[in-house]
Amino acid sequence: EVQLEQSGAEVKKPGEPLRISCKGSGYSFTSYWIAWVRQMPGKGLEWMGLIYPGNSDTKYSPSLQGQVSISADKSVRTVYLQWSSLKASDTAMYYCARPTYSNTWGGFEIWGQGTMVIVSS
Amino acid sequence: EIVLTQSPGTLSLSPGERATLSCRASQSVSSSYLAWYQQKPGQAPRLLIYGASTRATGIPDRFSGSGSGTDFTLTISRLEPEDFAVYYCQQYGGSPGTFGQGTKVEIK
Repeated sequence: EVQLEQSGAEVKKPGEPLRISCKGSGYSFTSYWIAWVRQMPGKGLEWMGLIYPGNSDTKYSPSLQGQVSISADKSVRTVYLQWSSLKASDTAMYYCARPTYSNTWGGFEIWGQGTMVIVSS
Repeated sequence: EIVLTQSPGTLSLSPGERATLSCRASQSVSSSYLAWYQQKPGQAPRLLIYGASTRATGIPDRFSGSGSGTDFTLTISRLEPEDFAVYYCQQYGGSPGTFGQGTKVEIK
């Protein structure tokens, strides 16, 4: 079964670093882009960026470039979303997602269960 | 960046009725790389349509997608109780792969 398994919920303070993860299974991990999608409380979906684990080619949303970092470790079939210094406005549900086809950046057929990140002093 | 505008914001309909949701792009979407998702409270989104008109695996045929260029439509032919949810369009012809703001389909 094709799955994306995300790390658990996090409660952090402003200014703290954080890395959340998304582990793929049941498919050729290096052959599909993996995206991160943000959903702030009560709001819509926001495309943050994506990575191709085969060569770590990464694309970012211009509005988030420099705010987060996306990386991949092929050896453990895992993609990461990282912050160096969290802000309260980073409070959101974060999903990882995989497209239906290996050569596209969307049409996300496979989704992780989501990781809730709460940033509060 | 391609901006997607969905309309209406909320659609109030009864079970059995037809739902027509619109997604308009600020510029042409490459190769009809347009997807539709359904999201229910507390759940991850579910892919309904990709490539503007291809149903994803396991999606009932009451869901259909159409359109090209800058104008796209998701049609639900006869609403079932489980179809009341929020629907998002997404373009993925280029980076960033933007989402629309969503249309809520609620029970009238």
